[in-house]
Amino acid sequence: NAGVTQTPKFQVLKTGQSMTLQCAQDMNHEYMSWYRQDPGMGLRLIHYSVGAGITDQGEVPNGYNVSRSTTEDFPLRLLSAAPSQTSVYFCASREQPNTGELFFGEGSRLTVL
Amino acid sequence: SQQGEEDPQALSIQEGENATMNCSYKTSINNLQWYRQNSGRGLVHLILIRSNEREKHSGRLRVTLDTSKKSSSLLITASRAADTASYFCATATRSGGSNYKLTFGKGTLLTVNP
Repeated sequence: NAGVTQTPKFQVLKTGQSMTLQCAQDMNHEYMSWYRQDPGMGLRLIHYSVGAGITDQGEVPNGYNVSRSTTEDFPLRLLSAAPSQTSVYFCASREQPNTGELFFGEGSRLTVL
Repeated sequence: SQQGEEDPQALSIQEGENATMNCSYKTSINNLQWYRQNSGRGLVHLILIRSNEREKHSGRLRVTLDTSKKSSSLLITASRAADTASYFCATATRSGGSNYKLTFGKGTLLTVNP
């Protein structure tokens, strides 16, 4: 049982490049989400999904795009990377509509030059 | 906007001592959760306390919730060097329909010295 798997763990981009952070979970969780973690800012919600085909914006959605075609996968796309998107990104999932604990991946550290 | 705010930002203690971290929040919640994050790793859920509960225990962890003061505390008893980590509180609030979102604070960095 792998839990929540994120790839890649590390990535360096140049300003303007695009990329996709992958997230997969094998717990059959309906709810999946993406957070970014910056020093002194805690974790901030980017986008979330309550089931396949359903996505919604979180607190800081600008510059990011998501889709949810299957229950297992929830990729996060950076359309045109900016230095302000340098951060550590975490994918997390939980049972839905359960309001219980989130299960986190190990994170993807992104640097935009 | 930050819903939960931990206090203190950093805490350094000796092994065997107790560590207390506090969390304050602003709006009504469904539940409050505490997470631990070791350096360079993902967050791990520690304990959840519902809005109608006042105290909860799990091993060496004790969590209290005071909804009238909109605050919670996490007590770690008989701390160990392995408890060194950042600790985050997260509040579950309704975000529309039957959906709830978790909003995290900025965390408390706990260092337990051997």
